[in-house]
Amino acid sequence: SQKIEQNSEALNIQEGKTATLTCNYTNYSPAYLQWYRQDPGRGPVFLLLIRENEKEKRKERLKVTFDTTLKQSLFHITASQPADSATYLCASTRSSNTGKLIFGQGTTLQVKP
Amino acid sequence: DAGVIQSPRHEVTEMGQEVTLRCKPISGHDYLFWYRQTMMRGLELLIYFNNNVPIDDSGMPEDRFSAKMPNASFSTLKIQPSEPRDSAVYFCASNRADSPLHFGNGTRLTVT
Repeated sequence: SQKIEQNSEALNIQEGKTATLTCNYTNYSPAYLQWYRQDPGRGPVFLLLIRENEKEKRKERLKVTFDTTLKQSLFHITASQPADSATYLCASTRSSNTGKLIFGQGTTLQVKP
Repeated sequence: DAGVIQSPRHEVTEMGQEVTLRCKPISGHDYLFWYRQTMMRGLELLIYFNNNVPIDDSGMPEDRFSAKMPNASFSTLKIQPSEPRDSAVYFCASNRADSPLHFGNGTRLTVT
């Protein structure tokens, strides 16, 4: 079955460092990968979308890559801040409707001051 | 923009009771989605609508679950009868085609 896997272990880093989160997919080829941020008690909030024909996308301190050979997306937060502490969800779809998503379990990031 | 509005935020009910969750999507969005989040299974798509019409309900776990969208500004997800294993956070989300999802803040359902 189609599967999205994220590192279930929490990622702890020091403020100012770059956080790198990994998303691997198996048994299919998504057309889009998306990254969302989720804070406790809140709904996920969209951050970035990357298409299968794109290698890299940037938005301010965020960068996402899409490697169709490795079947992997990497999500980077540069110059991390304690306010970046949250759970980050990777999601994928083959559908032209970018809301019909398969989500990973999420990785919790803790940025220490 | 008020965002996607869900009610109630919390619902505690006894096994066997009917539960109705409500959602108001963002005005102008023609797609509406219902997702469920649990620790074990993460976020899973239950059903989605386009222009108020159900398009894909393959994620609805069983016949006890039903969803309606009587107009462009309102949708309900009903569980009847509810069971303890239905305990989860239920999210509603909306979008326009080819645009990212906007999620509500969810309804935390506890069935005792």
